[in-house]
Amino acid sequence: GENVGLHLPTLSVQEGDNSIINCAYSNSASDYFIWYKQESGKGPQFIIDIRSNMDKRQGQRVTVLLNKTVKHLSLQIAATQPGDSAVYFCAENIGAGASKIIFGSGTRLSIRP
Amino acid sequence: GAVVSQHPSRVICKSGTSVKIECRSLDFQATTMFWYRQFPKQSLMLMATSNEGSKATYEQGVEKDKFLINHASLTLSTLTVTSAHPEDSSFYICSATGGFYGYTFGSGTRLTVV
Repeated sequence: GENVGLHLPTLSVQEGDNSIINCAYSNSASDYFIWYKQESGKGPQFIIDIRSNMDKRQGQRVTVLLNKTVKHLSLQIAATQPGDSAVYFCAENIGAGASKIIFGSGTRLSIRP
Repeated sequence: GAVVSQHPSRVICKSGTSVKIECRSLDFQATTMFWYRQFPKQSLMLMATSNEGSKATYEQGVEKDKFLINHASLTLSTLTVTSAHPEDSSFYICSATGGFYGYTFGSGTRLTVV
């Protein structure tokens, strides 16, 4: 359902390792999903998206996996770098066309040197 | 790529006054714009959806008389926080979409009501 203002969990990863950030979405009718990166004091930045007719999509150093059966999304970041430190949100598009994007609760990614 | 400009980036106002935030799509026509609010260490909460030339659709629990949204052109939407109070202090973010462009976000406006 709608995000209810949960505080952000933190994932701490060693620099150079792979990061996996998970997200559970709520609406089985959602057909488009997006991962965003948000740095402190800035707006969300698009990372990668996936439509519901796919279960995997790869970008540069990032991969999104979609499991519709359990309504789960994951974002994998390969060879995590200090610049990857940020808060990551999954978002789902509810409805057809230019309909609203609803954000998940988010995960803060922290990189250990 | 698509760019959305949001202004101002920071604003401090006195309690009881009104504040206007602008959101502009710089290189595309935004048929739909969205306004979000984000409190510290929390996610983005959708406030309202606006389509050019029509009234905004507000999410449940958002006061339409307090948060006035105008989307008078395909490149500009404004959010006016009326009679602001300290609890309205937050980070306000707009998003725009149109045509072949996906959802592009502005850089946000930090509102502090004192």
